[in-house]
Amino acid sequence: ETGVTQTPRHLVMGMTNKKSLKCEQHLGHNAMYWYKQSAKKPLELMFVYSLEERVENNSVPSRFSPECPNSSHLFLHLHTLQPEDSALYLCASSRTLAGILGDTQYFGPGTRLTVL
Amino acid sequence: QKEVEQNSGPLSVPEGAIASLNCTYSDRGSQSFFWYRQYSGKSPELIMFIYSNGDKEDGRFTAQLNKASQYVSLLIRDSQPSDSATYLCAVNEAGGNQFYFGTGTSLTVIP
Repeated sequence: ETGVTQTPRHLVMGMTNKKSLKCEQHLGHNAMYWYKQSAKKPLELMFVYSLEERVENNSVPSRFSPECPNSSHLFLHLHTLQPEDSALYLCASSRTLAGILGDTQYFGPGTRLTVL
Repeated sequence: QKEVEQNSGPLSVPEGAIASLNCTYSDRGSQSFFWYRQYSGKSPELIMFIYSNGDKEDGRFTAQLNKASQYVSLLIRDSQPSDSATYLCAVNEAGGNQFYFGTGTSLTVIP
């Protein structure tokens, strides 16, 4: 248990559905991240938030919409996804943004998403 | 483009042996270096981090950093079958806002 929780753990959705992924961290961290991990591929950074402000958006399609209402919660809203979006979606947090010496990043358990 | 390179493996070692995992990085501004373990279908779990040249030991794990060669490694002593997983190397840079991950090395410890 890392102090980062994600719900749901598994999600199956059709291409026309709208769903949301939720992440919550209980570590008092100020930075939160969304990653996508597809089979046999490296982690892909999607979004970075610091103190509820988005600081990084790595050319992610608009069908993924992040929301960070406070420093403890992060959402990823999904709509009109494609089958190739099926992957493990990981949330992570760190005390500050990545540039502080020794600061580390902790991951939630992930949401396994399948798009039919 | 900041790159973190790892040999994807698979790396196989017998139980009780030393497993050696390697990682190189392209950005000389990289500041801290992390090793994560990821079991199949699970999320990455932090093993240890290092930011000073030399060795850092934690139980059966030793991280080694050589900034001049832009090289970081992880040694696992007395390897156990439970160490079988993918090991991810990650780095960050001073003042940056993200961590950069390698593709991971798959390790199998054979009983």
